[in-house]
Amino acid sequence: DQQVKQNSPSLSVQEGRISILNCDYTNSMFDYFLWYKKYPAEGPTFLISISSIKDKNEDGRFTVFLNKSAKHLSLHIVPSQPGDSAVYFCAASGNTPLVFGKGTRLSVIA
Amino acid sequence: EAEVAQSPRYKITEKSQAVAFWCDPISGHATLYWYRQILGQGPELLVQFQDESVVDDSQLPKDRFSAERLKGVDSTLKIQPAELGDSAMYLCASSLATTDTGELFFGEGSRLTVL
Repeated sequence: DQQVKQNSPSLSVQEGRISILNCDYTNSMFDYFLWYKKYPAEGPTFLISISSIKDKNEDGRFTVFLNKSAKHLSLHIVPSQPGDSAVYFCAASGNTPLVFGKGTRLSVIA
Repeated sequence: EAEVAQSPRYKITEKSQAVAFWCDPISGHATLYWYRQILGQGPELLVQFQDESVVDDSQLPKDRFSAERLKGVDSTLKIQPAELGDSAMYLCASSLATTDTGELFFGEGSRLTVL
């Protein structure tokens, strides 16, 4: 049973537009959420995180929104750039090691 | 910039053979993780170490997999015998935090192909 779900395997966005990647979780004990970015043949790299005491965290072009009641978080990238093309993993923890979603492949088209 | 080192980057082996992966975490990182990522899936935890002690190995298939971190620094993950279903990317990560809210730093991974 998947505790962290990324229901969109892929997403294509025009350069300069907003990319929105979604993530749902089922475990109400999760209290810390992260987004990782992965290029081919490389390990995942940390992008941005949010604690359950917040509903928004912003870092430059990247913003993560958390809706605890809906058990949903999203990553907004604006403006999207071709270098953002990668697989994005949502991850969650709550006194447990990180649990990852299956990832969403983002393609930013120039 | 400090990195998590892993070797080998690529390994091709025949089923029933033994294979080993090595990881050297970022200096000073007490927590070390081995994850397995099957193509099209997210990373799944195999084992977590805090210094030289195993914290969580509940998802490690112990009949064929073993992991050690004898001196609390580098770590080895072994598979014997390898099976076709073990083909995956094996990712090592380390963390400075002793809780689970710390950022994980991943290595580039070791891609295993079992023929």
